[in-house]
Amino acid sequence: DAGITQSPRHKVTETGTPVTLRCHQTENHRYMYWYRQDPGHGLRLIHYSYGVKDTDKGEVSDGYSVSRSKTEDFLLTLESATSSQTSVYFCAISTRGAGTEAFFGQGTRLTVV
Amino acid sequence: SQQGEEDPQALSIQEGENATMNCSYKTSINNLQWYRQNSGRGLVHLILIRSNEREKHSGRLRVTLDTSKKSSSLLITASRAADTASYFCATDAGDSGGSNYKLTFGKGTLLTVNP
Repeated sequence: DAGITQSPRHKVTETGTPVTLRCHQTENHRYMYWYRQDPGHGLRLIHYSYGVKDTDKGEVSDGYSVSRSKTEDFLLTLESATSSQTSVYFCAISTRGAGTEAFFGQGTRLTVV
Repeated sequence: SQQGEEDPQALSIQEGENATMNCSYKTSINNLQWYRQNSGRGLVHLILIRSNEREKHSGRLRVTLDTSKKSSSLLITASRAADTASYFCATDAGDSGGSNYKLTFGKGTLLTVNP
């Protein structure tokens, strides 16, 4: 497996609380992505980063923020978790973007109660 | 909205048969990729086909791309029970190395290969 680690792997949190998911890579890849996976929706892009401190929104970014202060870490924050954010979250990395494969982490299962 | 859409949503076949999955997309792309996901795991890259290629092979996998129809197909020949998984197409668009580059996925096809 590529050197990509997500933490935590499982989390249960209450509605209204802030939650931060961490993606850590040891590959020095430029691009990092956060996706959520839900039944019937496949994978949907939340936010992505194309370099340190360079991030942009994906298709389902509302309610989420990200930060990338160093190459190896990409943080996804739910400022005030809602039940609709219950999902499996995947981080992925790739080198230069187009024409290169993405490597995925093992996922974080988040339940908002 | 998601760029790729796979068809069918689910496919059940017997071991030894071939499995074909299709993907349609909406806008111009640089490349199209196929990924596999075993239950409860992350996605794993299978094969990439560039926009100027029409067909590509890798072992038992055959991928075609028709940019005029904005569609791709993944064929798995002589399927095995171990091929049971979800398969996703992913399209990348935007400038390579640029800020507008994105990799977006479809909803996937769940393939079940019965022994």
